[in-house]
Amino acid sequence: GAVVSQHPSRVICKSGTSVKIECRSLDFQATTMFWYRQFPKQSLMLMATSNEGSKATYEQGVEKDKFLINHASLTLSTLTVTSAHPEDSSFYICSAHPEGRLSYEQYFGPGTRLTVT
Amino acid sequence: GEDVEQSLFLSVREGDSSVINCTYTDSSSTYLYWYKQEPGAGLQLLTYIFSNMDMKQDQRLTVLLNKKDKHLSLRIADTQTGDSAIYFCAESREGYQKVTFGTGTKLQVIP
Repeated sequence: GAVVSQHPSRVICKSGTSVKIECRSLDFQATTMFWYRQFPKQSLMLMATSNEGSKATYEQGVEKDKFLINHASLTLSTLTVTSAHPEDSSFYICSAHPEGRLSYEQYFGPGTRLTVT
Repeated sequence: GEDVEQSLFLSVREGDSSVINCTYTDSSSTYLYWYKQEPGAGLQLLTYIFSNMDMKQDQRLTVLLNKKDKHLSLRIADTQTGDSAIYFCAESREGYQKVTFGTGTKLQVIP
């Protein structure tokens, strides 16, 4: 149990286009999902916290108009990178917190490798 | 804010024990975690410890917590080549789902 999937696993797009990444909890409902960004050989940096049915909470320095987050259901959150540029190339990882579970329980997706050319 | 630090690299021989160290600054940390990340993959939770515990053992993994010094360690007994990965220390507070990750330690296991 507690499986989180991401789609796509890898995407290459041209500069100026938008890319949508999906994060799904497959066998549980997640009231809260998190989006992280990981640069090569670096740690995970939390970008935003996504709560079902409400606006996402963005970390300091993260542009909410560039990284659009939608958490329309208890099993799906999407991250859209708008007008992507090469500096947005990164590994994006989501995690999901099961509804009603203790705060330390969080399950990670396999990540999405975004390359902007 | 919270800060979690780790050494960047550790190399051990297969069969030896590995010890990965981590220090953190937030005295309010309630949960401390160790995650494993294999190349190109997401994170796998290996184990976690509550701040009111000193030690937790799970098969080959032993976690030691020195709350006074804010020091956490992960010992892997009989290290195997499949243990080669990046290991992240992380912390969070009770009631807060935000997890702060360390810088990661790359473990290389030499056959």
